[in-house]
Amino acid sequence: EAQVTQNPRYLITVTGKKLTVTCSQNMNHEYMSWYRQDPGLGLRQIYYSMNVEVTDKGDVPEGYKVSRKEKRNFPLILESPSPNQTSLYFCASRKGLTGNTIYFGEGSWLTVV
Amino acid sequence: KQEVTQIPAALSVPEGENLVLNCSFTDSAIYNLQWFRQDPGKGLTSLLLIQSSQREQTSGRLNASLDKSSGRSTLYIAASQPGDSATYLCAVGGFTGGGNKLTFGTGTQLKVEL
Repeated sequence: EAQVTQNPRYLITVTGKKLTVTCSQNMNHEYMSWYRQDPGLGLRQIYYSMNVEVTDKGDVPEGYKVSRKEKRNFPLILESPSPNQTSLYFCASRKGLTGNTIYFGEGSWLTVV
Repeated sequence: KQEVTQIPAALSVPEGENLVLNCSFTDSAIYNLQWFRQDPGKGLTSLLLIQSSQREQTSGRLNASLDKSSGRSTLYIAASQPGDSATYLCAVGGFTGGGNKLTFGTGTQLKVEL
């Protein structure tokens, strides 16, 4: 079954404690991205990757890092989380660069206190 | 900067009714437009993808249209059912980042009542 898998699904953490949200896809997709969803603001892109070792900033990259060492994995790293990073995070993947359906993971609820 | 607006923000209809959800965007230079469904606590499921050269796409009871020149798309749901209750999001694929940028609307929350 085609899947985008995120972990953890739910996390409460404290300000400043580094955390990583993992994302893995089993469809051999080139393109992967991270979004955050906030009430009234919709989904906003954090980072995206067009292939292994190729990443670029989205609309709201501040406070986040990513890496793409393998095609299937695209972890999101919060080096020093702050309360304004409390949000629902989605990882997504798509075959090729454009024009194809994008697949989303089920989301990771992150609360920073 | 692309802006995507969805109206209405919420909609409640009786079962069996045909309905239209609206999406408008400010920049007509787009690659494609996608409609998604989001259930509470779940991820997004792609419903329909319309390429910029297409006018509409159909899947079962769903039909999405695209009018690039006027910056509008509609999602038509025929014979609505309670299982259609969800939030519907439209997203426009733009040229930024090699065509990889999706700009989302804030969604229409649909409730279909028995």
